[in-house]
Amino acid sequence: GNSVTQMEGPVTLSEEAFLTINCTYTATGYPSLFWYVQYPGEGLQLLLKATKADDKGSNKGFEATYRKETTSFHLEKGSVQVSDSAVYFCARMNTGFQKLVFGTGTRLLVSP
Amino acid sequence: DTAVSQTPKYLVTQMGNDKSIKCEQNLGHDTMYWYKQDSKKFLKIMFSYNNKELIINETVPNRFSPKSPDKAHLNLHINSLELGDSAVYFCASSQDRGQGKETQYFGPGTRLLVL
Repeated sequence: GNSVTQMEGPVTLSEEAFLTINCTYTATGYPSLFWYVQYPGEGLQLLLKATKADDKGSNKGFEATYRKETTSFHLEKGSVQVSDSAVYFCARMNTGFQKLVFGTGTRLLVSP
Repeated sequence: DTAVSQTPKYLVTQMGNDKSIKCEQNLGHDTMYWYKQDSKKFLKIMFSYNNKELIINETVPNRFSPKSPDKAHLNLHINSLELGDSAVYFCASSQDRGQGKETQYFGPGTRLLVL
């Protein structure tokens, strides 16, 4: 079926540590892939996206590469900050459709 | 200026009541959505409207009725509220170019608590 699987959280890191949040997907065709972030008490904000294989989305020091061979879109950041503490959602959208399918979200906690 | 706005931000009500949540977007988009986020943070689409026409209707109880008076507004009316309806409801909008790539912009959410 069509789904998105994310690593379970919470992910707890110290400031300046390296971050990876894994995301894999199943879908027919070639979906567009997204990472959204939800800060405490707020709505979702688009963090980055990639619409075709080998594309790399990047924003605010975060990066994710669309890997068709492994059906993955892992989120990475070289040096996290306390202000990055939030819930991160991986999502996919199939070509021709406007329906976002979300993973379960991964909570990131960064301590000073 | 807020791109996608929702009212109210918080809604506390009794079981059995009928309530509405309003959503407005000033981005000029032609497609709007309602998503539900449960207590475990899981997000799932409920409805989508394109140019005031319903295009996505997931398996949602018919107590939930979306209404789109124009392209910039998508309201959600809920009849006979149940405890399980307690959740955060997010409105979103996007410009539909038929390619399934367009970014959806989310509102701040409406936190509904049914007692």
